Amino acid sequence: KAGVTQTPRYLIKTRGQQVTLSCSPISGHRSVSWYQQTPGQGLQFLFEYFSETQRNKGNFPGRFSGRQFSNSRSEMNVSTLELGDSALYLCASSKLSTIADTQYFGPGTRLTVL
Amino acid sequence: GIQVEQSPPDLILQEGANSTLRCNFSDSVNNLQWFHQNPWGQLINLFYIPSGTKQNGRLSATTVATERYSLLYISSSQTTDSGVYFCAVSREYGNKLVFGAGTILRVKS
Repeated sequence: KAGVTQTPRYLIKTRGQQVTLSCSPISGHRSVSWYQQTPGQGLQFLFEYFSETQRNKGNFPGRFSGRQFSNSRSEMNVSTLELGDSALYLCASSKLSTIADTQYFGPGTRLTVL
Repeated sequence: GIQVEQSPPDLILQEGANSTLRCNFSDSVNNLQWFHQNPWGQLINLFYIPSGTKQNGRLSATTVATERYSLLYISSSQTTDSGVYFCAVSREYGNKLVFGAGTILRVKS
C-alpha cells in the first residue's frame, strides 16, 4: 500500500506570495492532519480534516488555511508569506477520527521564503 | 494545553550500546506515539502505545499512563538508529498530536 505523498517536496517563494501544498493520504484513510516544523518552535499542529470538514485547529493565524476533497486528498494554503513561514510542512493521515488512531506521516514539503 | 517533555535532549552512543529515552506528559492522553525522524525529515512511526508495552525487533516501548510517562528502549544500537526521536501525545477528539522537543541520538561506529 502506498504511503502518504506530498507535493511539491521543495518550494522557494518570496515574501508576500502565497503557496499551496498538497497531500494524498494512504488509501482508505479519511483523516488528514498538517504540521509545521521549525528549528525554533519544533513540530506544531496546524489543522485536521475528516470527511471534508475541519475537526481540529491549532494556534496559527488565518493566513494558514486548508481544505479536503471528497477523495480525502488535502491542500493547505499560506497567503502573504512571511520569512518565518520557512519550515518543513508535514502531512499525516489516519484511518479513524472518532477515536485516537495511529498517524502516518508523509515526507514533507520544505518551504523556503526569501 | 498538555505539555510533553523528553529526556535526554542529546545522546551519544557507541554502536552496540543500549539506551532509554523518556517522555513525560502533563495530563491523561488517549494517544501516544513514538517517531524516528530520518535525516531527510520524514517521521517514521515506531509505536502507537497509549498504555502497556510493545516490542518490535531491537526497539521496545512502555507507557505507564497512570504515572504519565513513556519509555523507548533501543538495544544493540546501530549507526542507522541515529536521528531524532519524538514522543507525541493527544487528548483531543480526533487527531491533534502535541510533540515533545525530541531526543537527538548519535550512534558512533
